[in-house]
Amino acid sequence: ETGVTQTPRHLVMGMTNKKSLKCEQHLGHNAMYWYKQSAKKPLELMFVYSLEERVENNSVPSRFSPECPNSSHLFLHLHTLQPEDSALYLCASSQDLGGGYTFGSGTRLTVV
Amino acid sequence: AQKVTQAQTEISVVEKEDVTLDCVYETRDTTYYLFWYKQPPSGELVFLIRRNSFDEQNEISGRYSWNFQKSTSSFNFTITASQVVDSAVYFCALMVDDYKLSFGAGTTVTVRA
Repeated sequence: ETGVTQTPRHLVMGMTNKKSLKCEQHLGHNAMYWYKQSAKKPLELMFVYSLEERVENNSVPSRFSPECPNSSHLFLHLHTLQPEDSALYLCASSQDLGGGYTFGSGTRLTVV
Repeated sequence: AQKVTQAQTEISVVEKEDVTLDCVYETRDTTYYLFWYKQPPSGELVFLIRRNSFDEQNEISGRYSWNFQKSTSSFNFTITASQVVDSAVYFCALMVDDYKLSFGAGTTVTVRA
């Protein structure tokens, strides 16, 4: 078990569903990140939060909506996804921006 | 722009063999950090090493060693006497003066008993 916990581990959803991915860290870190890992592609940074403020939105479609209610929790709200959004979604945290990352185990998302 | 290239897609070895993973990076910045991460089948990315651009000393940690060569923009990783538990995807990554990690495509290492 790493210091960053992601739930659920696996998620299958239809294109019209709404679901949320959850990430939680109790490492006292101030920055949290969402990464997308698709098959045969490098990891892509999606969103960055520092002290609960969003500092990066890397041209991500609006069907992905992040939320950071406090420094320990990060959500990724999903709606009207496409099959090409199927991927492993990894959450990470770091003490501060630019510090060493601790990654969670990811949520394996399948859109049908 | 930053770029990390891991030319080897897959490597398969027999237990106890050594395996070297190549990593070549591109950046115009003089200050940067290089990383290696391991991703076992369970999915999480496990941090292995961080090296800053001003420290070209090679490093050894148990069966792992890293060779940083600024002249060739390479940061290669060697696993000595490989074991089945070393089977995973290994990622090289680059961070410049911000917080964004640029990852390579990864190398899948399979160690056969």
